[in-house]
Amino acid sequence: GESVGLHLPTLSVQEGDNSIINCAYSNSASDYFIWYKQESGKGPQFIIDIRSNMDKRQGQRVTVLLNKTVKHLSLQIAATQPGDSAVYFCAENRGKAAGNKLTFGGGTRVLVKP
Amino acid sequence: DVKVTQSSRYLVKRTGEKVFLECVQDMDHENMFWYRQDPGLGLRLIYFSYDVKMKEKGDIPEGYSVSREKKERFSLILESASTNQTSMYLCASTTPGFGNQPQHFGDGTRLSIL
Repeated sequence: GESVGLHLPTLSVQEGDNSIINCAYSNSASDYFIWYKQESGKGPQFIIDIRSNMDKRQGQRVTVLLNKTVKHLSLQIAATQPGDSAVYFCAENRGKAAGNKLTFGGGTRVLVKP
Repeated sequence: DVKVTQSSRYLVKRTGEKVFLECVQDMDHENMFWYRQDPGLGLRLIYFSYDVKMKEKGDIPEGYSVSREKKERFSLILESASTNQTSMYLCASTTPGFGNQPQHFGDGTRLSIL
């Protein structure tokens, strides 16, 4: 399928290793953050979210970390599998004053090597 | 699971045509969104709606309009298609609590304007 981004940063990971995908945001008023996974030819799929009153949240094989001091968000994938190969996006809610709209990051492509 | 369905996966139209993209969600969500996704530019919000017959402009509304006659259906209209509207179009929906609930996406419509 056609790529969603021709110049995306790419993370190559050995199958079974852990992956860490980073995202910087600029709006200190952002109060809610989401990670999405997009496979080729499909729409973004919700993975995990975190509210600004939390520093860490865990799901199944995924952990999101939020550092509000430096406006940084990361997604950790444990024991990366071939099915994890995709483009990963972070999204931030801009806050009530901005109509609670989401701003999306440019995405990171994860390639899992067998 | 939330199901957001976009009526066409691929669509080819000619310059000047009026184009309709349809989106249906089955979770009784109040809020629905249209985005376009372009390489290097990520996801950009075109229009959104938080209730039947209500609509709000997103970040790039020019050249587009929308219709929300029923809660489950949100249509994007290209009044007079132009080649710069060739893109991947993504529809999303979410529950009330707008800013703190993830948006769920359809699989997209890849639109080519010739």
